[in-house]
Order: sequence, then C-alpha cells, then structure tokens
Amino acid sequence: GQQLNQSPQSMFIQEGEDVSMNCTSSSIFNTWLWYKQDPGEGPVLLIALYKAGELTSNGRLTAQFGITRKDSFLNISASIPSDVGIYFCAGTSSGNTPLVFGKGTRLSVIA
Amino acid sequence: ETGVTQTPRHLVMGMTNKKSLKCEQHLGHNAMYWYKQSAKKPLELMFVYNFKEQTENNSVPSRFSPECPNSSHLFLHLHTLQPEDSALYLCASSQGLGTGGTEAFFGQGTRLTVV
Repeated sequence: GQQLNQSPQSMFIQEGEDVSMNCTSSSIFNTWLWYKQDPGEGPVLLIALYKAGELTSNGRLTAQFGITRKDSFLNISASIPSDVGIYFCAGTSSGNTPLVFGKGTRLSVIA
Repeated sequence: ETGVTQTPRHLVMGMTNKKSLKCEQHLGHNAMYWYKQSAKKPLELMFVYNFKEQTENNSVPSRFSPECPNSSHLFLHLHTLQPEDSALYLCASSQGLGTGGTEAFFGQGTRLTVV
C-alpha cells in the first residue's frame, strides 16, 4: 500500500526560528494536505495543495506540492510558542481512496 | 468551533462494559471515518463509510463495531475491550469518496481508557 515518510520525527527550536518539514510518498499523489494537532485535540487542516509545483501560504505557514508529485514541504516562519504541536502530512493519489497520513512531526518551541 | 462533534470527550470503561462513541458532522459530507491514535503511533484508519455504506474495515477486531445510520452520524460500539485499546479515537468526515473532495475534517476525539 501507499506509504508516507515524514521527517523530521521531532524538532526543538528557539522562538523566532524558521521551521521546515517534509513528506515523501512512494507513489504519485494528486492532493497533499497539512494538518496540525494540539495535545488532546483532533487534527486541524492547515493547507491543501492540488497541483504540482503549487505554493500556498496560510499566515506564517507555507506549503509546497513537489513537482515530482511525490513530496511536499511545510515551512513555518518566525515560530511562536503556540506553534507547538504535531504536524501531519496527508495525501491521496485518487479521490476514490481515503487519505494516507504521515507519522507526524512533533514541534517544540523554546521561548 | 468544529463541524465534526464527538461525544463523549473522555470515557473510562471496564473490560466487561459496553459503550458507544458518537460522531456527528454538520458539513453536509457523505464520507465518515474512524481513526485510532495511540501514544507515539501514527493515525490508524479503522473504518470508512461512504454514502452510508461501509467501504473499508482495516482488520479491526470485532470488539469494535461501527454503525452509520445516515450520512451525518457515525457510531463506534465497544464491547469487551482490552487495556491496549486505550487511545484517542478520532472521527472525521469528507465530501465523499469519488466526489472529488478529499479534505478530511476531524472531531476533537474521544480519549478512551480501558481499565
């Protein structure tokens, strides 16, 4: 089945630093999504990407749909304490199948 | 505020109990999902319902029994669970498989503890 490799697994950064994380797929995807999960809550959709090469921003967050269609990147600029949480990538190669999720990147921000 | 509501938020049950988790979505979606999230493990897809029909059961033990009476409601019936079933159970919905809408929207989850 489809697999997503998400890295890094965890990050500890200083407040104000920029953050990058990525996700790679074993197969071509036509949709990439990025979610954030706060402790004890459900994941919340941050950014959705539908086209190879697409670059989309949501405030300090920017995500890109890789041109190979097998990867995606999420960048967070000028991190703040409320950015703490687990970030998940997700994607699908077909609208007929459920999303495949990465294992998540746990982000810790040191004030 | 979420368009997907799960109740209860927390549940403690004994191994001989029977309980049910409820999920309701107000987004007009036609696909609903149950996921299990254990500590330090990735999200595990359990069941998928598309237009009220179960389309996926990922080898989930029979002590978990889903029910989807209509497109807006999804239940997970629990009986004779094991301590290792303790986890965060997440419900999600999407526009509908095969309809073009792939984004999933999650509820806040039910934290289940089996004692």
